[in-house]
Amino acid sequence: EAGVTQFPSHSVIEKGQTVTLRCDPISGHDNLYWYRRVMGKEIKFLLHFVKESKQDESGMPNNRFLAERTGGTYSTLKVQPAELEDSGVYFCASSQGQGTTGNTIYFGEGSWLTVV
Amino acid sequence: SQQGEEDPQALSIQEGENATMNCSYKTSINNLQWYRQNSGRGLVHLILIRSNEREKHSGRLRVTLDTSKKSSSLLITASRAADTASYFCATGYSSYKLIFGSGTRLLVRP
Repeated sequence: EAGVTQFPSHSVIEKGQTVTLRCDPISGHDNLYWYRRVMGKEIKFLLHFVKESKQDESGMPNNRFLAERTGGTYSTLKVQPAELEDSGVYFCASSQGQGTTGNTIYFGEGSWLTVV
Repeated sequence: SQQGEEDPQALSIQEGENATMNCSYKTSINNLQWYRQNSGRGLVHLILIRSNEREKHSGRLRVTLDTSKKSSSLLITASRAADTASYFCATGYSSYKLIFGSGTRLLVRP
């Protein structure tokens, strides 16, 4: 079974440009999450989808970030315009169901973004 | 802050030795998960322990959870060079959201 896949794995863009990151969750996982780690700091939650609906986007840093999950399958995270402080690794993750006792959340390899 | 904090920040041991990493958190949790990240790679899920559990094992891994002390530990027995990585605890405060600690960098010397 394929895991969470992300594309691109690495991206170098200039300040002011746009970058779109894509995530394909594990098949059958309704829950999809985006996290990021910037400048060697902690890995931080960005947002959570259940199918195509945004359940929680409290971690999105500002309106330069837009996440979508049309059709409830893959998701994209667009950064427009990119700033230097956006450099870091963006992780996508998915899980099957929610529940109250927690479910294993599986992460992808990450998309490593460098803004120059 | 609800973040977990790992201790130590860095650990260097000889192959074959055991490695113990600790994680503390601040509020009540539903579950706690440990992840490994090899340099430049993604997060690999190691083990999940629920708030009503005290200990779990998976291969050479042993995780304990003490909710009264709001702490967890990850023990890797008979370490190997391939265990060299950063290890993160992540606490689940709801059914979906994880709060990560800053991680422990483990170096296992051959």
